[in-house]
Amino acid sequence: DAKTTQPPSMDCAEGRAANLPCNHSTISGNEYVYWYRQIHSQGPQYIIHGLKNNETNEMASLIITEDRKSSTLILPHATLRDTAVYYCIVRVNSGYSTLTFGKGTMLLVSP
Amino acid sequence: GAVVSQHPSRVICKSGTSVKIECRSLDFQATTMFWYRQFPKKSLMLMATSNEGSKATYEQGVEKDKFLINHASLTLSTLTVTSAHPEDSSFYICSAPLTGVEGFYTFGSGTRLTVV
Repeated sequence: DAKTTQPPSMDCAEGRAANLPCNHSTISGNEYVYWYRQIHSQGPQYIIHGLKNNETNEMASLIITEDRKSSTLILPHATLRDTAVYYCIVRVNSGYSTLTFGKGTMLLVSP
Repeated sequence: GAVVSQHPSRVICKSGTSVKIECRSLDFQATTMFWYRQFPKKSLMLMATSNEGSKATYEQGVEKDKFLINHASLTLSTLTVTSAHPEDSSFYICSAPLTGVEGFYTFGSGTRLTVV
């Protein structure tokens, strides 16, 4: 799986949009971009994933650049409960191999 | 849907004793279960992969005789930390892929193990 690079931490004011970047310059054509998050002392939670097109669901939006070398997870209206470590993971959708977690980005949402 | 229930959420045990952690898939069949360990302020590290009805596959450096994994049914996988020592204190998390949904993994809520 391709390597990803994320900033170690970010701050966001409650109610504002949180934009979390991820670089994956070595991504290959059949690799998807996944985002998971882990709230303190809980198991990780799936957020969203995509291949080429931008994706949106009830939790977030995923913007993937045209060359697919980077992506941004957008939480449109961050709340205090969105404070968590956000992991960007790149992997091939083949079989049920494990997810490999990097260090992620610690997002702190403040009042 | 697709919930993995993990118990206990928190356990304190004495050195030398064994602790069993259970993960149950509540509304789907988990043919595969991944077990992770997470130390404070660190990322999740895969310990082992279990498949229903077969022996678990352990990652390099993980002692299979110390971390016993049983996956005897499609809805239950257990991790037993045998002869626990303080250095085994960690946050243990299980995870299962949702069959038919590529890339979607559901995680247990984790078990905080403290060995005293």
